[in-house]
This record gives sequence, C-alpha cells and structure tokens, in this order.
Amino acid sequence: ETGVTQTPRHLVMGMTNKKSLKCEQHLGHNAMYWYKQSAKKPLELMFVYNFKEQTENNSVPSRFSPECPNSSHLFLHLHTLQPEDSALYLCASSQGMARNEQFFGPGTRLTVL
Amino acid sequence: GENVEQHPSTLSVQEGDSAVIKCTYSDSASNYFPWYKQELGKGPQLIIDIRSNVGEKKDQRIAVTLNKTAKHFSLHITETQPEDSAVYFCAASDQTGANNLFFGTGTRLTVIP
Repeated sequence: ETGVTQTPRHLVMGMTNKKSLKCEQHLGHNAMYWYKQSAKKPLELMFVYNFKEQTENNSVPSRFSPECPNSSHLFLHLHTLQPEDSALYLCASSQGMARNEQFFGPGTRLTVL
Repeated sequence: GENVEQHPSTLSVQEGDSAVIKCTYSDSASNYFPWYKQELGKGPQLIIDIRSNVGEKKDQRIAVTLNKTAKHFSLHITETQPEDSAVYFCAASDQTGANNLFFGTGTRLTVIP
C-alpha cells in the first residue's frame, strides 16, 4: 500500500446526483493532488493543494469542487456531471513540491449515467 | 505547457527479453523525469526517476536514460518477468516551482511467460 487511501473505489451516479470522493494520506505529506485518468489519454492534473491552500486549478469545470480541510484529507465534490466525466479519479500526495515523488491512491472508478 | 509523447502504446516481449519505452518532451526547461508503473486496480507507483544533471540511472533491472539535447528519455527493463506486466507512464515536470507533472499516454507492457 502507498499510504494514500481513496473511497469509494467505485461510484455510479446519475447526472443530477451529488456525490463526494474522499482521499486520505497517512504519510505526513503537505501537498495533495487530484488527477483524472481517461482511457488512451495522459493523466490530467485537476487540482493541487499545498498546506491546505489551493495552488492550482487546471481549468476544471465548476461541477467539480475540491475541498481540503487539512493536510491529510482531500475531497472532490461532484454535481451535475456529464457522461464524459466518467473516468478513474486519482488522488496523490507529496512531501512538499518542487519535483518530489508523488504517491498515488488506488483511485475511484466513476461512471456517470 | 509541457507536452509529453510516449511510444509504443503497447509492447509484448518474451520473458527474459528486454523492453524499451521511449518518451519525448517539449519544454527544454523541464528537469525532472519520473517513470510510474500502474498495475490493474492500483494507482501509479514511482519506479525510477532521473534529473537533468545525469544522463543515466540504474536500479537493478531498470534503467533510465536522458538526452536533454534531443529532449527524449527512455526506460529500459532487462530480464523481464511476468510481474513486470503493467502500464508504464513517463512524466516531465514543468518549471513553475510546483510539482506539476505532465504525463505520457502510457505503454501497456505484456511479458509472455
């Protein structure tokens, strides 16, 4: 295990639903990330938090709303999603930034109907 | 921003043979190049990385080479084993000071026993 856990592992939701993804890291890291992984595409960085402060929003639609209450927890709140948002959502953490190793969780497989 | 291209997208080798995966990048200022391995149902895990002050790095059966002039880097796996079967991703860092990684599209490696 990498020390980064994600729940749920699988999620099916309708376009009108509201759901949240949770990430927790047990590594004492201070930076956390959300990525989207779609088939045949590179991992897409969505959000970056450093010491609970958002430092990067990679032009992500507002139907994705991140929350970082502390350095160990990261949430991704979902509402009014589209079928093309179906993907694997990965959380990662690192000790500081500046080209340090990122540790990934197992991901949440999201299907939007 | 940085653009990372990765080839091939799929690679099959016989057990014991070598495997080579190649990546190119566009931003000449990038100076950190990690390689991640993703097994089924898991998030990517760092297997080796290289920084631009070295041209080659080796860790047991895995080696990475970097050619900064040509802006390409490669992963070499020798004496492949069935457990090496996975998807491999290369990545390059940008130079904003943040740990933003730009990933390739991945190579699915299959080692045939």
